[in-house]
Amino acid sequence: DAGVTQSPTHLIKTRGQHVTLRCSPISGHKSVSWYQQVLGQGPQFIFQYYEKEERGRGNFPDRFSARQFPNYSSELNVNALLLGDSALYLCASSLGGLVSYEQYFGPGTRLTVT
Amino acid sequence: SQQGEEDPQALSIQEGENATMNCSYKTSINNLQWYRQNSGRGLVHLILIRSNEREKHSGRLRVTLDTSKKSSSLLITASRAADTASYFCATDPVNRRALTFGSGTRLQVQP
Repeated sequence: DAGVTQSPTHLIKTRGQHVTLRCSPISGHKSVSWYQQVLGQGPQFIFQYYEKEERGRGNFPDRFSARQFPNYSSELNVNALLLGDSALYLCASSLGGLVSYEQYFGPGTRLTVT
Repeated sequence: SQQGEEDPQALSIQEGENATMNCSYKTSINNLQWYRQNSGRGLVHLILIRSNEREKHSGRLRVTLDTSKKSSSLLITASRAADTASYFCATDPVNRRALTFGSGTRLQVQP
């Protein structure tokens, strides 16, 4: 079975630009969560979507937005990029809508903002 | 903000030795999970322990949870070079819909 997939693998953007990251969950999983991981730190929760509805939001500015599609794939959008947005962006899927469920992580998208 | 804090930040041991990592957290939780990450790649779920459990085993892994002290430990027995990775605890806080990760322990197992 295919795991969680993310695209692109790497991305380089300049300050002020916009970026869209994509995630496809494991087949049958209806929940997708997004995390930001800055080098040397643990992942920070950004969003969780379940059945196409936002179920949770972390402490991130409104420049960050996300959505989930009918096939349960998801996009994370970041506007007006800042240097501090450089990080590994991780997507995780799970069976249920609670974060108590085991999270299956994708390989991540490495975003570099110059 | 980080809910959990792992200790030590880094650990270097010889193959065959046991590795113990600790995690402390601040608020009441529904459960606590441990994850492993190799070289900045995706995280792999290792084990989940619920707030009403005190100890759980999975293969060479042993996890304990002390909710009165708000702490957990992960023991890896008979370590192997392939266990070299960063290990994170993640809590599911009561009244908050967010899995909250600690800052991680970097484990190096020398062959």
